[in-house]
Amino acid sequence: DIQMTQSAPTLSASVGDRVTITCRASQTISDWLAWYQQKPGKAPNLLIYKASTLESGVPSRFSGSGYGTEFTLTISSLQPDDFATYYCQKYDSYPWTFGQGTKVEIK
Amino acid sequence: EVQLVESGGGLIQPGGSLRLSCVASGFTVSNRYMSWVRQAPGKGLEWVSVIRSVGTTAHADSVKGRFTISRDNSRNTLYLQMNSLRAEDTAVYYCARELFDREDGYNHGFDYWGQGVLVTVSS
Repeated sequence: DIQMTQSAPTLSASVGDRVTITCRASQTISDWLAWYQQKPGKAPNLLIYKASTLESGVPSRFSGSGYGTEFTLTISSLQPDDFATYYCQKYDSYPWTFGQGTKVEIK
Repeated sequence: EVQLVESGGGLIQPGGSLRLSCVASGFTVSNRYMSWVRQAPGKGLEWVSVIRSVGTTAHADSVKGRFTISRDNSRNTLYLQMNSLRAEDTAVYYCARELFDREDGYNHGFDYWGQGVLVTVSS
């Protein structure tokens, strides 16, 4: 099975910072990649799919890029509501695997 | 408005069985791919099972042979039958709907999730 690895388990940042989270697939997955935001006690929320397509209703400060095995989620200017845990997920075939998550904390 | 509401969780002894339900509204379950995803306490997300619109299913290796996903079209409800439960099955279980992109005709991740239901396997 393809494994998904996120660059760091935690990331400390301040409001207004540009934040980049990296996700690597153990094999190529084309652009079959999604990003989710999850807050404590809540279900995940889809942010990005097809590696770079913004889900409806998601603020434009979120963007995604990448293809093959290397992907990034960027928050252009971190807002107070963005402190949360972020997961990448590959969905080229089952099993749909998630990265281990990156928690964005207040610096 | 799309809604997914899970129920059926609770405390169960190792080796026991439990059935989770997920009642959908705002769309027809049988027209979409639907999955169960779980999250152990303080851990990440793990995909568990899927039922495709045509009715075929797939399960993660960790639950294969023990868990069964199904649906009742008349009730617009998704189920997860969990047998031979183990301590490592302790988690919040979410039902989730796959996003269908009409532009390319493929599914892309999960666009709607339920609120989650806690299953605790312990003696």
